[in-house]
Amino acid sequence: AQSVAQPEDQVNVAEGNPLTVKCTYSVSGNPYLFWYVQYPNRGLQFLLKYITGDNLVKGSYGFEAEFNKSQTSFHLKKPSALVSDSALYFCAAHKNSGGYQKVTFGTGTKLQVIP
Amino acid sequence: NAGVMQNPRHLVRRRGQEARLRCSPMKGHSHVYWYRQLPEEGLKFMVYLQKENIIDESGMPKERFSAEFPKEGPSILRIQQVVRGDSAAYFCASSPTNGLAEAFFGQGTRLTVV
Repeated sequence: AQSVAQPEDQVNVAEGNPLTVKCTYSVSGNPYLFWYVQYPNRGLQFLLKYITGDNLVKGSYGFEAEFNKSQTSFHLKKPSALVSDSALYFCAAHKNSGGYQKVTFGTGTKLQVIP
Repeated sequence: NAGVMQNPRHLVRRRGQEARLRCSPMKGHSHVYWYRQLPEEGLKFMVYLQKENIIDESGMPKERFSAEFPKEGPSILRIQQVVRGDSAAYFCASSPTNGLAEAFFGQGTRLTVV
């Protein structure tokens, strides 16, 4: 069974500083990893994904994530945080299972960017 | 191309009533997934449907919960005889027929059982 762990319930960072939101995974076979963001009272929005290729993936709103196979991690990063980045971030693993995607989400990390 | 549409956005039900949550997938998507988000928790998979078929309902409670995705019309998640513990946000997602594209999520229905 696949699993996704987000070890931090909340991350606080000052505006303008770099941010990292951590994610580790346990997936058999090749992992397909995604990050989603959820703003208050909204649905999830896709940020970026890793399927194959370069380990550094660039996504929406200046976010990027680094796939590290040896550490089974897929941490989300941004060089300079904005107050508007404050939201709930979910890491997810997609696995093709019997011809369809089975998606396992982490429990989410609340990012608070302090002005 | 409208996104995934869920309605209602907010639903209040008294204990014992029925709740019906609707999800219209994106145009051209025939795969629908339902997730439940409890307060301060992540999203938990409930059920995966294709048109007229339930493919995987391993995350659905065995009683009171059912889902359908008819040939015509939206997907429906139905909760009978609701209890306070059913209060949560329910999200629907859809994906295209062909592979590992990111799932597109609706804005969710927030169910409150009073």
